[in-house]
Amino acid sequence: DVKVTQSSRYLVKRTGEKVFLECVQDMDHENMFWYRQDPGLGLRLIYFSYDVKMKEKGDIPEGYSVSREKKERFSLILESASTNQTSMYLCASLGGGALYNEQFFGPGTRLTVL
Amino acid sequence: AQKVTQAQTEISVVEKEDVTLDCVYETRDTTYYLFWYKQPPSGELVFLIRRNSFDEQNEISGRYSWNFQKSTSSFNFTITASQVVDSAVYFCALRFNAGNNRKLIWGLGTSLAVNP
Repeated sequence: DVKVTQSSRYLVKRTGEKVFLECVQDMDHENMFWYRQDPGLGLRLIYFSYDVKMKEKGDIPEGYSVSREKKERFSLILESASTNQTSMYLCASLGGGALYNEQFFGPGTRLTVL
Repeated sequence: AQKVTQAQTEISVVEKEDVTLDCVYETRDTTYYLFWYKQPPSGELVFLIRRNSFDEQNEISGRYSWNFQKSTSSFNFTITASQVVDSAVYFCALRFNAGNNRKLIWGLGTSLAVNP
């Protein structure tokens, strides 16, 4: 069964802290994505990765960075968290040899920055 | 421009009613893919269906059905005899076929409340 896991369901951090959000998939997928979801704004793509150590900016990369050292793990990093980064963060993976396949999502991390 | 519009922000129905969620898309590509996802209160997006632009056949899966019409650029989703467990946010998404494009264009979602 397909599985995408995220390290935390809920996270509370302080302004200025460095925050790591981890995502792991067990499907050997090449592509992984980080989205944030805010009321009224839908899902917005932050970064994605199409291979180990490869990454591309999405639509809203400012204030974020990512790391993909192993195929199964994709980390989202908030270098210095700010209150406007309070949001729901969703990780997804895509594979199966065809880019038109569906993305599989993790359960999400609800991050609050105080 | 590539765009997905879900004009209905919120819908509220009573159990057993039928409900249709609208999705209108824009793309210049002739090859593209459309998706529907469900996001229940637990938060995890669940894939429901994928349709490619060359397949206009309607799809039925239990109480769920999808009507794809290229002439109106719409990919609407109908739930028949709705149940409380159908309460969720539903997203429509588009993948256009530009080279190695991996990105999806998402609608803003429709929040469906099914009341007992």
